[in-house]
Amino acid sequence: AQSVTQPDIHITVSEGASLELRCNYSYGATPYLFWYVQSPGQGLQLLLKYFSGDTLVQGIKGFEAEFKRSQSSFNLRKPSVHWSDAAEYFCAAENYGGSQGNLIFGKGTKLSVKP
Amino acid sequence: KAGVTQTPRYLIKTRGQQVTLSCSPISGHRSVSWYQQTPGQGLQFLFEYFSETQRNKGNFPGRFSGRQFSNSRSEMNVSTLELGDSALYLCASSLSGSGYTFGSGTRLTVV
Repeated sequence: AQSVTQPDIHITVSEGASLELRCNYSYGATPYLFWYVQSPGQGLQLLLKYFSGDTLVQGIKGFEAEFKRSQSSFNLRKPSVHWSDAAEYFCAAENYGGSQGNLIFGKGTKLSVKP
Repeated sequence: KAGVTQTPRYLIKTRGQQVTLSCSPISGHRSVSWYQQTPGQGLQFLFEYFSETQRNKGNFPGRFSGRQFSNSRSEMNVSTLELGDSALYLCASSLSGSGYTFGSGTRLTVV
């Protein structure tokens, strides 16, 4: 079955430190891949997406993600975390070519930022 | 341009009642999809509509239904509410191939 796995439930980093959030997918073919961020009580904001092409994707708020086919991974990174980055982060996938709204999400990684 | 608008933001309903949630997509977006978010199950796909037709459906009971109007606005309905239906319901709109923009959600509490 298709699945998205985020191995880390909760990560705490110090402000100014670098960040990497892990995401692995299990699909028959390389899916479309997304990272979303959610603040408490809010909806999901798209950080970045990968459809094809360059495997290093730049997103908003200084985030980037790297697609690695050999590892079935799409890890999210940020070189220097700000306190406002504290939120929950979701990796999601969709069948290549689009599957009519059916995103499969990971369980999320909650990010806490220490001052 | 305006984002995805979901109304109402909060709802409290009693078991056995029914509820209707509304979603207005970004102008020009014809695809609207719905998701349920709970602490235990995470984010789960309910269904997707495009040009008033349901194209895809997740694994939810028939108590969950939806529809889309000619202006692309969508509603979802949950009948015979159960305590387990308490969740954040998220709507997303999409322009083909561009990814999905989510609304702020409707927080449904069933008591």
